[in-house]
Parts: sequence; structure tokens; C-alpha cells
Amino acid sequence: SQQGEEDPQALSIQEGENATMNCSYKTSINNLQWYRQNSGRGLVHLILIRSNEREKHSGRLRVTLDTSKKSSSLLITASRAADTASYFCATVANAGGTSYGKLTFGQGTILTVHP
Amino acid sequence: NAGVTQTPKFQVLKTGQSMTLQCAQDMNHEYMSWYRQDPGMGLRLIHYSVGAGITDQGEVPNGYNVSRSTTEDFPLRLLSAAPSQTSVYFCASSYSNRGAEAFFGQGTRLTVV
Repeated sequence: SQQGEEDPQALSIQEGENATMNCSYKTSINNLQWYRQNSGRGLVHLILIRSNEREKHSGRLRVTLDTSKKSSSLLITASRAADTASYFCATVANAGGTSYGKLTFGQGTILTVHP
Repeated sequence: NAGVTQTPKFQVLKTGQSMTLQCAQDMNHEYMSWYRQDPGMGLRLIHYSVGAGITDQGEVPNGYNVSRSTTEDFPLRLLSAAPSQTSVYFCASSYSNRGAEAFFGQGTRLTVV
């Protein structure tokens, strides 16, 4: 079963606007990661936030994590047409042994940025 | 570094045929995994490995076999292809099983007719 639920499923904005995507999950996590997928390509890692962190920044990306609500958000500021892609959250469960490496993905948000 | 390399990129199989999807990484990563991606379903874990000689099942393992004889290679075998296995398959690796970022291959688009 899918761990993450992403919202919205699709987002359409103009270049220069901010894009916010949300992810909710069900179980206790070790960390949460965001990935980007361009059409027909593999996934590329964007950012990782650990369960003891509340906010993290990387360039135009800002990720928040609220473990009490089991939710995370990804904010892309000053979006560009090149940001058009699908964005996925993935969680790593807070379990022992070999479970650490297992990523459980949400269904993704399709972001379209219009020039 | 080539990263994670998957072959082939595209494949059409007839129902009942078998085939092996190849995955190789040159980053000396211990952890490797296979996912399938279907429309509206996100990525689902098929099998994974935490090192040479060690494999385990993921969420959707039925109809697939894996082996890990070397650190570099992690092939996925379809035993008897079914139309339900039509999907895009991704191989990923990471340097540890401690929840580090994963590096993905470019995917194999498989159609079973």
C-alpha cells in the first residue's frame, strides 16, 4: 500500500509564482525525501529531511516536516518553465534492520509551469 | 561515473515469455532495489537487496525473481510475463540502507501483449 498521499494531484502555475505540494503519510518515519521526475525519465533526488528536523532549504526549495500531523510540504519559489515535472515524496520507515532503505512513494504531483 | 544503468530501455514481450531486466551501478552502493511505476500508482517496491547474496521481497514481488551475485549488478527476472506486468521499471541504488538518497536508472518501459 502507498504510504504517502500527495496533494494536489496536479498544479498549474505561471512562471515566477510559487508552487506548494503537500504529502501525508501514515507510519512513523526515519526520514522523508522528495524526488523529481521529468517526463519519461528516472527520478532525481531533491532533498531529504530527517524526522528530527522541521525545515530544510536547498536553493529555491523549502521543505517542512510536521511529524505530529504526519505531513510534509515542498515549496518551490520563483518557479521556472524548467520546473515542469512530477514531484514525489518518499518515506523511509522508522523500523530496524533492512527496512531503513525501503522508500515508500506517494502518487506524485504533476507540476506545470507556464512561461 | 555512469551511475545506475538499466537495459533495455524498451521491450515488448508476448504473454508467457521470460526475460531479464539488467541493472548495474558503478558507485559501490550496497543497497539496490527495483520499482514499478504505473499510472496513478506512484512507484511500488518489487524486490530489494542490502548487499551481495542478500535479497528480500518488497510490496509487489509476485512474478519476479532477483539475485545479487555482485555489488554492481541486480537483475530482475520476469518468469512468465503477463499483461499485468506492463509497466515502467526502475532500478535504484543507495550507499547504505540507512535511508540515504537513492539514485535511479532511466527506466525500462515493458509492454506485455
